Amino acid sequence: DVKVTQSSRYLVKRTGEKVFLECVQDMDHENMFWYRQDPGLGLRLIYFSYDVKMKEKGDIPEGYSVSREKKERFSLILESASTNQTSMYLCASSPIWVSGTVSLNYGYTFGSGTRLTVV
Amino acid sequence: AQKVTQAQTEISVVEKEDVTLDCVYETRDTTYYLFWYKQPPSGELVFLIRRNSFDEQNEISGRYSWNFQKSTSSFNFTITASQVVDSAVYFCALSEAGNTDKLIFGTGTRLQVFP
Repeated sequence: DVKVTQSSRYLVKRTGEKVFLECVQDMDHENMFWYRQDPGLGLRLIYFSYDVKMKEKGDIPEGYSVSREKKERFSLILESASTNQTSMYLCASSPIWVSGTVSLNYGYTFGSGTRLTVV
Repeated sequence: AQKVTQAQTEISVVEKEDVTLDCVYETRDTTYYLFWYKQPPSGELVFLIRRNSFDEQNEISGRYSWNFQKSTSSFNFTITASQVVDSAVYFCALSEAGNTDKLIFGTGTRLQVFP
């Protein structure tokens, strides 16, 4: 069964700590994404990557960075965690969309999420 | 700019009732893609459907059906004869052909189905 795996389901960190959230996919997808989910705000895109070592900012990149050294792994880094970064973090992957064709893979595949609490 | 609006924050129904979840979108692109995802209490988002803007045919899959209307920029989702297992948060999402790598989500609708 194909999967997107997030290393931690729950995480508690202290303010100011450097935090790493790890995501691994086994579908050989080109694209990988990090979203955060907050009540009433839905899912908001933090960063995405369409290739190894490539990254693009999403809608709310402030306070975050990412790393993609291998195709299957996409890490989200909180350089100095703050309480307003307490949230559910969701990783996703998708195949690249070929112009003019319909992807055989229907959509994004999501991980189970990491609920991060910063105290 | 692209935007997805799910005006219904929460809906409660009794089992076997039909329920429709609304989704209205905004985009400047003529080619775009619309999605519905389900998020059960376990937290993982489960893909339900993708609809391409150039295909307005409505879709039915078992108890689920989707009504895509370009004229009103809506992509509504109906569950027929709802069941307790349908209780979840449902998200509508949009991606544009010129920016297909980005998926923009609505704020979600929480559906509670009571026995």
